[in-house]
Amino acid sequence: QQQVKQSPQSLIVQKGGISIINCAYENTAFDYFPWYQQFPGKGPALLIAIRPDVSEKKEGRFTISFNKSAKQFSLHIMDSQPGDSATYFCAASQSSGTYKYIFGTGTRLKVLA
Amino acid sequence: ETGVTQTPRHLVMGMTNKKSLKCEQHLGHNAMYWYKQSAKKPLELMFVYSLEERVENNSVPSRFSPECPNSSHLFLHLHTLQPEDSALYLCASSRVTGVNIQYFGAGTRLSVL
Repeated sequence: QQQVKQSPQSLIVQKGGISIINCAYENTAFDYFPWYQQFPGKGPALLIAIRPDVSEKKEGRFTISFNKSAKQFSLHIMDSQPGDSATYFCAASQSSGTYKYIFGTGTRLKVLA
Repeated sequence: ETGVTQTPRHLVMGMTNKKSLKCEQHLGHNAMYWYKQSAKKPLELMFVYSLEERVENNSVPSRFSPECPNSSHLFLHLHTLQPEDSALYLCASSRVTGVNIQYFGAGTRLSVL
């Protein structure tokens, strides 16, 4: 019940295309869903996050779509650029008390020039 | 930079060695975390310190020993490690109150021979 399932494991997209990464969770107590971006040799960095009271959040070319009833959320990268090539992790947590993030296994994105 | 600094960046040690990983945060946070990152696995939370008190220990073997002398510093003491402990060890910090946004360091790449 504590797992977050992430797919696909890897993704290759042409420059200008849309990259879509999906995550699913089971624990309905989760109420905070961040996405992290990690470049080689760096630690993960927060990209965008959402709470379940909204179905979508957009920041620039990055959008999170959230489906509370299906317990799924996804990251969409519009107009994908070679500089977006990185590993993306979804996570889920409860905003009170436990400080625990449960991370997905990661998606390695490569955007071809 | 994220404001979380980890040293050393790379470490090679034998199974009988004793070494320590260091993490320092300059963000005024009061919670700190150790994660283990292995290939094709989710980030594994190892330890959580909140207000310098250990609040989480995720069944981590005793050959890993954390220390949090103050809210800005976190150590991970290593002894008699196994080759399967080779991984990227990430430190993160966050505030205790409000939204739990975790900021990660760049990690220490550990190789156990």
